[in-house]
Amino acid sequence: GQQLNQSPQSMFIQEGEDVSMNCTSSSIFNTWLWYKQEPGEGPVLLIALYKAGELTSNGRLTAQFGITRKDSFLNISASIPSDVGIYFCAGQLFSWNTDKLIFGTGTRLQVFP
Amino acid sequence: TAGITQAPTSQILAAGRSMTLRCTQDMRHNAMYWYRQDLGLGLRLIHYSNTAGTTGKGEVPDGYSVSRANTDDFPLTLASAVPSQTSVYFCASSDSPGSYTFGSGTRLTVV
Repeated sequence: GQQLNQSPQSMFIQEGEDVSMNCTSSSIFNTWLWYKQEPGEGPVLLIALYKAGELTSNGRLTAQFGITRKDSFLNISASIPSDVGIYFCAGQLFSWNTDKLIFGTGTRLQVFP
Repeated sequence: TAGITQAPTSQILAAGRSMTLRCTQDMRHNAMYWYRQDLGLGLRLIHYSNTAGTTGKGEVPDGYSVSRANTDDFPLTLASAVPSQTSVYFCASSDSPGSYTFGSGTRLTVV
């Protein structure tokens, strides 16, 4: 089946540092999304990207939809302790019968004060 | 509070027993999904439903069944649990492309 390769698997950074993570696919997607999951909770949508080349920001978060439609990255600037969590990319390919998401394996972020 | 409610929060289940994980949403979303989350594997789709009365198989459907009798409820049933079904299960719903709302999950341990 379709696979999303997400890297890095984990990151341990100092508060105030910038963070970058990316996701690549063997398939083309119509939509790329980035979710964050905190302990004991389900994933929460951070950013949605709908067009190839699109660059979108949400506060300190910036994400881009790759031109080839097979990749995306997420940047977090000036990290803070509450950024801790697992970040998932997800790709969506619309078909005639469903628009289900395919998720990456996640990037675990730890921020030290 | 609007959103998705999953029950139970956690469960220990003997192998061979059956169990239904409950999922209810109050947002009137048409589409609903069940994912399992395992360490190192991210979230994998088990079953989905585009609208009440219809269901479809996801990436890992074996050993699971679902039903969608109405818009709000989307239960997931394990007919005869096996240890490999130990996981955290998330229900989600959506009404627009990619904008999924997730429940808080059910942590299931099959022993």
